[in-house]
Amino acid sequence: QKEVEQNSGPLSVPEGAIASLNCTYSDRVSQSFFWYRQYSGKSPELIMSIYSNGDKEDGRFTAQLNKASQYVSLLIRDSQPSDSATYLCAVFYAGGTSYGKLTFGQGTILTVHP
Amino acid sequence: GAGVSQSPRYKVAKRGQDVALRCDPISGHVSLFWYQQALGQGPEFLTYFQNEAQLDKSGLPSDRFFAERPEGSVSTLKIQRTQQEDSAVYLCASSSGQAGTANTGELFFGEGSRLTVL
Repeated sequence: QKEVEQNSGPLSVPEGAIASLNCTYSDRVSQSFFWYRQYSGKSPELIMSIYSNGDKEDGRFTAQLNKASQYVSLLIRDSQPSDSATYLCAVFYAGGTSYGKLTFGQGTILTVHP
Repeated sequence: GAGVSQSPRYKVAKRGQDVALRCDPISGHVSLFWYQQALGQGPEFLTYFQNEAQLDKSGLPSDRFFAERPEGSVSTLKIQRTQQEDSAVYLCASSSGQAGTANTGELFFGEGSRLTVL
């Protein structure tokens, strides 16, 4: 079982709709959680970080974390064609003999069509 | 510099050649990571440095892979006797967070070095 699982998609939504991206992780002691966006041929860029249970909103983006269910999600409201990209969920654990390894999921391809 | 800089951007190597990939992190960032990304996959962790200390090298796939950061700034990833399965994009990322702190996961990535082994 991979440490971080995402539905690889592709996920296709119409412009203006809400896109919902999901991620589960296997390590119960993971500390912090991130969403990165990667455009085709480009490197990942950080769009959201979340450290505690609940919701965190930043503009059109909302990250949701449920540590009991080991689940993290990203909602994109009013989706735009420019949001079309691969979204990478990443989970960070630092404890014991691990100084901090950020583990990525395989990514979900999102396509927003006009 | 303003961002993470990697060179070369593209490298074609014949099987068996040695290659060296360079990463210049954001000034002042103590944490530096190397990742390998195959087409259609998420980045796979290779190694982590805090300043000049290599704290985690558990992701290096074989002893042909070696990384260093001798002065705590620029880092080099070296691959000896390259094989076709080494073909991938190698991503370097830096963070202002220190080992053991949660915000270490807030990474700034370079543009990557695409390695093709023939």
